[in-house]
Amino acid sequence: DAKTTQPTSMDCAEGRAANLPCNHSTISGNEYVYWYRQIHSQGPQYIIHGLKNNETNEMASLIITEDRKSSTLILPHATLRDTAVYYCIVRVQGGGADGLTFGKGTHLIIQP
Amino acid sequence: GAVVSQHPSWVICKSGTSVKIECRSLDFQATTMFWYRQFPKQSLMLMATSNEGSKATYEQGVEKDKFLINHASLTLSTLTVTSAHPEDSSFYICSGAGGRVADTQYFGPGTRLTVL
Repeated sequence: DAKTTQPTSMDCAEGRAANLPCNHSTISGNEYVYWYRQIHSQGPQYIIHGLKNNETNEMASLIITEDRKSSTLILPHATLRDTAVYYCIVRVQGGGADGLTFGKGTHLIIQP
Repeated sequence: GAVVSQHPSWVICKSGTSVKIECRSLDFQATTMFWYRQFPKQSLMLMATSNEGSKATYEQGVEKDKFLINHASLTLSTLTVTSAHPEDSSFYICSGAGGRVADTQYFGPGTRLTVL
C-alpha cells in the first residue's frame, strides 16, 4: 500500500468546516483512499473512501486531486464530537482480506 | 455501515492467567476478521488476520502460541491471550470485512486489557 503523509495536528472552530489534507504521491492506479477516525479510547470508525471522483456521504466529503496524489477530507460543520485522530489510508479495494496499515494520523481538535 | 461488537470492553487479570476476547459482526458476515493492538499514544498495529474456518496468519513478531485466534463462524472470532504478562496490557481491537461490506473494514469498540 502507498505511504501517506498527514499533518500531526489541526485545530478548527466549532461550526466551521474542517479540512484535513493527506498526501499520497505514490498511489497506484488501483488504490483507493480510505478515511477512518478514532475517538479517544474507541475503535476506529469508517468515514468514507474514493478512487478518483469526489465522494460525499452523511459524515463527510472527500476531494481527490486530478493527479490523485493528494486528497482532502471535509467535515462541513465540525462539532466538539468530531475531535479525534483522523487516518488517511491508501489501499487496493477488494483488499478486504488485507489488514490496514495505520500511520500517525492527524489529531483534529475542535475548539468551542 | 456495519456493526462489530467486542466483549468484554475492559478486563483486569493477574499475571499468568489467560483472557479471552470475543469479536462479533452483528449485521454482516465477516469472512475475514482482523486483530489489532494499540499501546498508549501509538497507532494501531495489525496482529493477525483470520479467515472463517482457517488458521490465522500472524504478523511478524506476534507469537501465535501466546495470542490464540479462533474464527469458527462468519460472525464470531475470539482472541485468547495465554499466560498474560504486564507487557501484554494494551487496547485490543478487532475488525471484520466480508459479505455486504467486502471492501471496507468495520471495527469493534476495543477491549482494554490490564495485566497486574
